[in-house]
Amino acid sequence: SQTIHQWPATLVQPVGSPLSLECTVEGTSNPNLYWYRQAAGRGLQLLFYSVGIGQISSEVPQNLSASRPQDRQFILSSKKLLLSDSGFYLCAWSVWDAQAFFGQGTRLTVV
Amino acid sequence: DQQVKQNSPSLSVQEGRISILNCDYTNSMFDYFLWYKKYPAEGPTFLISISSIKDKNEDGRFTVFLNKSAKHLSLHIVPSQPGDSAVYFCAALGGGSNYKLTFGKGTLLTVNP
Repeated sequence: SQTIHQWPATLVQPVGSPLSLECTVEGTSNPNLYWYRQAAGRGLQLLFYSVGIGQISSEVPQNLSASRPQDRQFILSSKKLLLSDSGFYLCAWSVWDAQAFFGQGTRLTVV
Repeated sequence: DQQVKQNSPSLSVQEGRISILNCDYTNSMFDYFLWYKKYPAEGPTFLISISSIKDKNEDGRFTVFLNKSAKHLSLHIVPSQPGDSAVYFCAALGGGSNYKLTFGKGTLLTVNP
């Protein structure tokens, strides 16, 4: 069966520090991979999606970046965090059909 | 420009009654609509979906209705249970891209015992 792992679950980082969140998927090949953010009082905002290794599409301008070094690995990064980067980050995967499956999320607090 | 809208940020229902969660969309090109349920500090879990060519899909206590002419869909939960208390997100797929889900802002459902 397919599973998705996302870590860490919680993270507190100072402003200006770097960020690396990792997501891996098991049990499927060539998934579409996504990074979403849920900010306080807001919905789920799509940040990046990837349809293959090295293929990253960005949805919103920001100081975050994403990479897909392997088929089932998706990494969200930042060189310098801002206070506004605080939020709940979710990794998700899907194949050709409609449904997306989400990881457990990472609560990021930038202080 | 929000293409998927959930205009009610919260809803409170008595246990055993019906919960109706509403969602409106603007893009007539969406192919699928999905509902996700989310508990605090957890990722959303898929609940039920409906294709744009159908007007109703039912799965146990959950039924989704789609009104294409009104660009409106709703999720009915009957009977509501306290364990249903969560944030419910409406999402749409398609609209020019088959890779991206567009989410609404969510509705917090509270089912009171």
